[in-house]
Amino acid sequence: DTAVSQTPKYLVTQMGNDKSIKCEQNLGHDTMYWYKQDSKKFLKIMFSYNNKELIINETVPNRFSPKSPDKAHLNLHINSLELGDSAVYFCASSRTSSSGNTIYFGEGSWLTVV
Amino acid sequence: LAKTTQPISMDSYEGQEVNITCSHNNIATNDYITWYQQFPSQGPRFIIQGYKTKVTNEVASLFIPADRKSSTLSLPRVSLSDTAVYYCLVARNTGGFKTIFGAGTRLFVKA
Repeated sequence: DTAVSQTPKYLVTQMGNDKSIKCEQNLGHDTMYWYKQDSKKFLKIMFSYNNKELIINETVPNRFSPKSPDKAHLNLHINSLELGDSAVYFCASSRTSSSGNTIYFGEGSWLTVV
Repeated sequence: LAKTTQPISMDSYEGQEVNITCSHNNIATNDYITWYQQFPSQGPRFIIQGYKTKVTNEVASLFIPADRKSSTLSLPRVSLSDTAVYYCLVARNTGGFKTIFGAGTRLFVKA
């Protein structure tokens, strides 16, 4: 059973298009994230939701809009795609705890904008 | 947020012990230290986590000195399949906490 699953795994699209990446976790976690990993392999946090509430919103263009319909889902919608949006997008989740926590990542969604 | 510094890359041979050190000079009292492993075309995977002293699990050991300004991930007897990127992460749980990954250390294990 996949703990954090995201779809699609691969996405090739043209500039200017709008696309969505879906994410679901079956771990019962209350916090979900979107990370972006660029060609240089840096892993940067984009958004974090805790109990469906937006907690962290890094310096991300307004073209990126996360949506969390419930605690188990966090989808990422991207408007007017640009070449620079090409990257791997990782969904992740964790459980709020008084002690250290563990982040569970999905397998990634490879987005290529042409 | 505590920034982390790790070596960019390391080479090793099968069967050797590998130690990767991470510096986090401005670690806060509530911060935990966590290490992740990432293989190509996969998401990062939890390896080990600690707060102070030493932690050991079936995969690795984590050594944290008393001042907690650094930590060392120790991989015993590495194999070719341990070739991956290893990330050191320092973060606290603030209810939707902010986690910043550094550039990681690329470990290449040779036969």
